[in-house]
Amino acid sequence: GQQLNQSPQSMFIQEGEDVSMNCTSSSIFNTWLWYKQDPGEGPVLLIALYKAGELTSNGRLTAQFGITRKDSFLNISASIPSDVGIYFCAGPKPYGGATNKLIFGTGTLLAVQP
Amino acid sequence: EAQVTQNPRYLITVTGKKLTVTCSQNMNHEYMSWYRQDPGLGLRQIYYSMNVEVTDKGDVPEGYKVSRKEKRNFPLILESPSPNQTSLYFCASSLLGGEYGYGYTFGSGTRLTVV
Repeated sequence: GQQLNQSPQSMFIQEGEDVSMNCTSSSIFNTWLWYKQDPGEGPVLLIALYKAGELTSNGRLTAQFGITRKDSFLNISASIPSDVGIYFCAGPKPYGGATNKLIFGTGTLLAVQP
Repeated sequence: EAQVTQNPRYLITVTGKKLTVTCSQNMNHEYMSWYRQDPGLGLRQIYYSMNVEVTDKGDVPEGYKVSRKEKRNFPLILESPSPNQTSLYFCASSLLGGEYGYGYTFGSGTRLTVV
């Protein structure tokens, strides 16, 4: 079925470093969402993007809706230990008709060394 | 506090023994959904419900049942669990569905092990 591919699969960085990750699809999406999952918890919405080319920030996080509408990017500046977790991209199923299904990416695991 | 509550958090059961994982939300959301999370596969949708008495299959519905008799509750039922249903399960709800760009609120998860 439809899948969103995230890259990289995992990242191990030092505190203070900047982080970049991306999400790609073979289909066009009209909305991109970025979630973070803390260890032992459910995913929490970080940023929502609704328009191609849109750039949106939430504190140290910045996400962009790709011009082709087939990709999205998430950047974290000056990482801190509490940024640890799995980051998921997600989007509503393309051409889904009445369905409200969100498709999730495979996730990027981020580990931050203090 | 607005939240989605799942129970139990952890469950170990034996093959074939029926079980139910409960999910309740206090935000008056119309849309609710169940996902399972497996390493390397991300979150995959099992079933969803757009309102009371309206449910439909997601990507991986085999071996699962759901019901939506009340707006706030959306239990997940495994009639005859098998080891390949060992996974981390999440319930989620949304005021409007993902198609409209409103993100889901997730529960804290239920880790199920079937032996």
